[in-house]
Amino acid sequence: GQQVMQIPQYQHVQEGEDFTTYCNSSTTLSNIQWYKQRPGGHPVFLIQLVKSGEVKKQKRLTFQFGEAKKNSSLHITATQTTDVGTYFCAGRRRQLTFGSGTQLTVLP
Amino acid sequence: ETGVTQSPTHLIKTRGQQVTLRCSSQSGHNTVSWYQQALGQGPQFIFQYYREEENGRGNFPPRFSGLQFPNYSSELNVNALELDDSALYLCASSKGASYNEQFFGPGTRLTVL
Repeated sequence: GQQVMQIPQYQHVQEGEDFTTYCNSSTTLSNIQWYKQRPGGHPVFLIQLVKSGEVKKQKRLTFQFGEAKKNSSLHITATQTTDVGTYFCAGRRRQLTFGSGTQLTVLP
Repeated sequence: ETGVTQSPTHLIKTRGQQVTLRCSSQSGHNTVSWYQQALGQGPQFIFQYYREEENGRGNFPPRFSGLQFPNYSSELNVNALELDDSALYLCASSKGASYNEQFFGPGTRLTVL
């Protein structure tokens, strides 16, 4: 079955440092979505990427979808304490398969 | 905040019992998907309902079943509870028979003793 792997599992950064999480699928995807889950909360949709090689930006967040539509990344520039949470990618093929997430801690 | 609500917020059951979880979808959404999220893991897709019909199912046994009602609200039923069923159960509503942007509810925390 479809598998979506995400690394790293945990990341601790000093406030102001950059952060990147990577997502890899075992199969080619129709699209990929990114979600953020704050501690004790529920996943909140951030963005969806559809096209091969697509790059989208939301303020300090940059999302990329690989040329082969099997991998993706989320990069946060100059992290802030409000960025704390777990970031999940979710790859869509027949269904939506979530990665295991990257838990980001930002130290003030 | 999404307009998706779930009840109850917390539930404690014993092994072998049955449980029903409820979800009200966001206004204008006709699709509900259910996910199981174990501690420290990503949400795992259980199934999706679109216009009262099951529209896809993940790798979960038949003791996980569901319903969708004409107002697009939904229920998740789990029979013969096992200890490993302890998790956060999330429902998400969306538009159309697809896997577009998922609007998640706050979840039901189920503990099986």
